[in-house]
Parts: sequence; C-alpha cells; structure tokens
Amino acid sequence: GESVGLHLPTLSVQEGDNSIINCAYSNSASDYFIWYKQESGKGPQFIIDIRSNMDKRQGQRVTVLLNKTVKHLSLQIAATQPGDSAVYFCADRAYGQNFVFGPGTRLSVLP
Amino acid sequence: NAGVTQTPKFQVLKTGQSMTLQCAQDMNHEYMSWYRQDPGMGLRLIHYSVGAGITDQGEVPNGYNVSRSTTEDFPLRLLSAAPSQTSVYFCASTDRGGNQPQHFGDGTRLSIL
Repeated sequence: GESVGLHLPTLSVQEGDNSIINCAYSNSASDYFIWYKQESGKGPQFIIDIRSNMDKRQGQRVTVLLNKTVKHLSLQIAATQPGDSAVYFCADRAYGQNFVFGPGTRLSVLP
Repeated sequence: NAGVTQTPKFQVLKTGQSMTLQCAQDMNHEYMSWYRQDPGMGLRLIHYSVGAGITDQGEVPNGYNVSRSTTEDFPLRLLSAAPSQTSVYFCASTDRGGNQPQHFGDGTRLSIL
C-alpha cells in the first residue's frame, strides 16, 4: 500500500448499499495481498486475502479484486451494515519481504 | 485461545523515561513483529523476529530494542522516550508456512510528554 499523507480518505455509504474501497500498491513483485478491518480502539482484523495468481476472491459479503497490471486492489462489501463502519486498509508483500500497509479508508455507514 | 495479547493498553511517559511494551501470543507462531501506527499513515514496521533468538530491524527501528528469548514473547523496549514516539503500537504474529495473514493485538496507546 502507498502512504498518501495525513488525511485519511473517507467513504460514506447508505446502509444496504454496496461499498467499494480501493488501494494502490507500488511493488510489482508483491504476490500476496490482505485486507484488514480496524475498529476504533482495536487492532487490525483479517478480512480476506488473495494471491497474485488470482484476480478475484469471494468471502462472506466481501469480494477482493486484484489488477496486477495497474497495481490496484479493491474490496467490495455487499449490503453494507452499520457494523461495517471502520477503517479498512490493504497490505501487500513480496516473497521473503515484510508487509507494506496502506494508510486506510474510513468507511461510514449512514442509516 | 487469547491470540496476541499486549500490555499495557495505555501509558503516559515523560521524555527520557524508559519502558517495555509486552507482547505474548499463544498460537505457537514463529514470526512476530512490532508496528507503530500514526494518524493518516500505514503501519510501519519497527522490529521483527523469525524465531526465538533471532531479531531484525524494520523500517523505523531507531530508539527501540527487542529480544526474543521464547516463541511466545516479544517485548519492545523504549530506551529513552521522546515525544516523536507518541503513537499506537501493535504487535503481530504469523505462522511461517506459506502466505499467511498476521494476527494483531489490540495495541498500546503511548503518549510521551
């Protein structure tokens, strides 16, 4: 993930709508990618991961899409719920190296 | 199964004081790491360990020491606290077998006055 400065991007969605959170990474050698959810006062919680030999992976209400050509990762949350309100960030890693974390996006779910 | 446990949850220090942040995991993970999280920035790696007796520096190691005498514990020591070390610190662990996500503790919120 790339650091984009002090201001955390914010995404506001209506309850029940789908959410799409985006992430750019810079290392073309990265082969493993993770999305984390972080609630206020808590540590990051694993949501879903994807390996570089895949373009798409689905979990429960979440889908991760990987575009290696433009080094872009997205997280789609279906039927967004109030409990989905949190900061979401991506992490990428090249083989044998440490994870690089993005700054995150704050998702707010409106009633 | 507690996962990754960090203590204390909150701490206020004066400039120049030293302290140790504790981290313990009960998953028998070989790899452990320490990160700091500052507003608007991604997690930055301070130090990491690939197993007992082995530690290495991450992106921002200055002012911090670590040791790994057991698989379970990975304490982080601030040698002489500075205001720039005010941050939220997270410990994480992972199994080394293949691509595995890291498991995080709930963090230590540290303020240096």
